[in-house]
Amino acid sequence: DVKVTQSSRYLVKRTGEKVFLECVQDMDHENMFWYRQDPGLGLRLIYFSYDVKMKEKGDIPEGYSVSREKKERFSLILESASTNQTSMYLCASSLEWTAGAFFGQGTRLTVV
Amino acid sequence: AQSVTQLDSQVPVFEEAPVELRCNYSSSVSVYLFWYVQYPNQGLQLLLKYLSGSTLVESINGFEAEFNKSQTSFHLRKPSVHISDTAEYFCAVKETSGSRLTFGEGTQLTVNP
Repeated sequence: DVKVTQSSRYLVKRTGEKVFLECVQDMDHENMFWYRQDPGLGLRLIYFSYDVKMKEKGDIPEGYSVSREKKERFSLILESASTNQTSMYLCASSLEWTAGAFFGQGTRLTVV
Repeated sequence: AQSVTQLDSQVPVFEEAPVELRCNYSSSVSVYLFWYVQYPNQGLQLLLKYLSGSTLVESINGFEAEFNKSQTSFHLRKPSVHISDTAEYFCAVKETSGSRLTFGEGTQLTVNP
């Protein structure tokens, strides 16, 4: 089974802190994604990556950056956390689209 | 740019009743379409997908969805729901030539006894 692992299930950070969310997949997938999930808004794409060191902005990239130095790892960085970044963050990966995308369990981030 | 609209944010139904969750998409090119399900306190799981071929696709637990190109829709249906189908359902679209996967706002299906 494909496994997408996010480093933390719950995280509490202070306003202004730099926050790192880590995601690792074990199936050599080319594509990796970061979404945030908010009630009533569904999943909104923050950034995605289709290869090592390659990234593209999604629909809501402001206030975030990403890093993909190795194929299996895709990191989401909140440069200076703000309370409006309190959310559930979901990482996903995919290889062949015949199989769809596989999701991690999510990280619930609270910024206080 | 591609987009997805799920027309109902909440759908309450009684057990054993039929249900339809509506999804419309927008794209100027050919697409792949997906339905994902999120059970309470769990991650998203792929429920079913349309890639090509037959426009009617089915899942192992009795859901089906039909791709309608002229209406740009991919509605999800089940003829008889169970309490255990209570979950949030997300429709998603990906253009066949790209890597971006776009989701709708989600539909909360609540099955009551």
